[in-house]
Amino acid sequence: SQKIEQNSEALNIQEGKTATLTCNYTNYSPAYLQWYRQDPGRGPVFLLLIRENEKEKRKERLKVTFDTTLKQSLFHITASQPADSATYLCALPENNNAGNMLTFGGGTRLMVKP
Amino acid sequence: KAGVTQTPRYLIKTRGQQVTLSCSPISGHRSVSWYQQTPGQGLQFLFEYFSETQRNKGNFPGRFSGRQFSNSRSEMNVSTLELGDSALYLCASSSGRQDETQYFGPGTRLLVL
Repeated sequence: SQKIEQNSEALNIQEGKTATLTCNYTNYSPAYLQWYRQDPGRGPVFLLLIRENEKEKRKERLKVTFDTTLKQSLFHITASQPADSATYLCALPENNNAGNMLTFGGGTRLMVKP
Repeated sequence: KAGVTQTPRYLIKTRGQQVTLSCSPISGHRSVSWYQQTPGQGLQFLFEYFSETQRNKGNFPGRFSGRQFSNSRSEMNVSTLELGDSALYLCASSSGRQDETQYFGPGTRLLVL
């Protein structure tokens, strides 16, 4: 089964700086990778999906890269704001067959200080 | 469009009891997936239902079961509850295509005493 590693330590950055979160996976290369945001006591909220043939994807202040050779995805938040403070999860399909069986990383907690 | 709803939001049970949790997906969505989230294990996939059929299953014991109705609403059941079943149970709905966004509900927080 797929194994995903995210930095389990909290990431503390100053408002206005760029936050960079890492997601490393083992085993087979997935057809796509997703990033979610989760606030305490709430369900995850989808942010971005990047496919294996895409190197980079952007959405407003968010940018995701996908390096299938390194088996790694980087998630960037530029001009970070205190409201960006949350836990960020990456997720991969457990297999590339039909269905929505996602394996999630343990998440990285981001704290943006004013 | 209304989001994914889960009931109840909070539940306290004792060991040995059973529990049923409910999930109503976004209108038009045919896939419902269930996840268990704990501080130690993170988010773990339980099972997915699509058009009333279980399409995928995670590595959980048979005490965990589910079903989906013709209106796509889904229930999951946990029998013979154990202390370790205390967790946030999340359901997610999507149209069913593999690479589609999954929309999560707020979760049901289960405490087993």
